[in-house]
Amino acid sequence: QSALTQPASVSGSPGQSITISCTGTSSDVGSYNYVSWYQQHPGKAPQLIIYDVNDRPSGVSNRFSGSKSGNTASLTISGLQTEDEADYYCSSYTNSATLVFGGGTKLTVL
Amino acid sequence: QVQLQESGPGLVKASQTLTLTCTVSGGSISSGGYYWTWIRQHPGKDLEWIAYIHYTGNTYYNPSLKSRIYILVDTSKNQFSLKLTSVTAADTAVYYCARFGEVLSAFDIWGQGTMVTVSS
Repeated sequence: QSALTQPASVSGSPGQSITISCTGTSSDVGSYNYVSWYQQHPGKAPQLIIYDVNDRPSGVSNRFSGSKSGNTASLTISGLQTEDEADYYCSSYTNSATLVFGGGTKLTVL
Repeated sequence: QVQLQESGPGLVKASQTLTLTCTVSGGSISSGGYYWTWIRQHPGKDLEWIAYIHYTGNTYYNPSLKSRIYILVDTSKNQFSLKLTSVTAADTAVYYCARFGEVLSAFDIWGQGTMVTVSS
């Protein structure tokens, strides 16, 4: 199974919105609404911020939202804050009943 | 509040077998509804899903690692473990255990991770 494709880096200024894409195939992202997103700060474990494409766990800010079109899922962060600076990873369930991650995107808040 | 804690050797020699254990606290591994998972992160960045197991013993493995890995669950100890054979430098990584929900379909709880270095 191949990793999902994410941009290596994105950046934005405080208050702006950014979108991170996550491209898979018809065997994973395109076939299931089981796409999740994780935020990881340096030296910490990843933390779930979006599941089932566009649902947020309790306690996660509504500035984080997700969507999907075809084989590509997206994470949008609105009203960027300095504490949003982190690495972001997408993940998808696959038709082999396995899971696959994206390569990760480093978000810089300028 | 369910918590996960990894434990392992930290340093293992090339060609040996790595064994990691994840202890689940604050809840029962046998409660159902979850797959108990191993994930690793190589120095640099990328996350790699390794395998997961249901308390009933149902398992799924990453095809690229399948020939070298074995995951098992011990419900009496509320633990699950990973065995990775014939390790090489490419297996040097932070290893995380995590909980994957059958309903939530995501990794909602993670351990803090344990660094494993393979030495020659």
